[in-house]
Amino acid sequence: EPEVTQTPSHQVTQMGQEVILRCVPISNHLYFYWYRQILGQKVEFLVSFYNNEISEKSEIFDDQFSVERPDGSNFTLKIRSTKLEDSAMYFCASTVWDRGYEQYFGPGTRLTVT
Amino acid sequence: QKEVEQNSGPLSVPEGAIASLNCTYSDRGSQSFFWYRQYSGKSPELIMFIYSNGDKEDGRFTAQLNKASQYVSLLIRDSQPSDSATYLCAVNIKRRGGSEKLVFGKGTKLTVNP
Repeated sequence: EPEVTQTPSHQVTQMGQEVILRCVPISNHLYFYWYRQILGQKVEFLVSFYNNEISEKSEIFDDQFSVERPDGSNFTLKIRSTKLEDSAMYFCASTVWDRGYEQYFGPGTRLTVT
Repeated sequence: QKEVEQNSGPLSVPEGAIASLNCTYSDRGSQSFFWYRQYSGKSPELIMFIYSNGDKEDGRFTAQLNKASQYVSLLIRDSQPSDSATYLCAVNIKRRGGSEKLVFGKGTKLTVNP
């Protein structure tokens, strides 16, 4: 069964450094998402992406964040200058079409900012 | 602010019993509703989705939706210790421009005791 994959599984970085989190969505999916979950808190929407552009972004997704689909398979989330409060699990999700139907999540990247 | 509310639990049931998980949502325009299971330290796993009023059954799981009451529930029959996890209710929120995102509740922690 096709799965969303994410790398790395765990990233440790120092405050102020740039990180890139990578995702490979399910191959026939067209809509891609990033969510995050701070330890002990709810899953929060960050951004949605379709047809090589952002469809919607939350207030969390400020100028320090960017997303890109550099090729036909990868979908990346970049944080330019990490802060302590960026420490969280970051999940990539994908779905076939932009109706929010059946979003499938990857295993996540645990980001630890020290 | 579009909210999804769940009892945080913990909910404890004996093995073989029915576990009942509840969720309310505030956006009357929502059309799609999802239940995810999340084991500790893992990503959300989609287990049920429901779009129409009424019941939807899949194996030991039954999702129930009442749009008039803005209420979604999940029943787990013949609960097993392996069902012990946090169950996340998610609601698809659609914006006028067409973009969509999932809004999650905080989750209900279920423990099934052998």
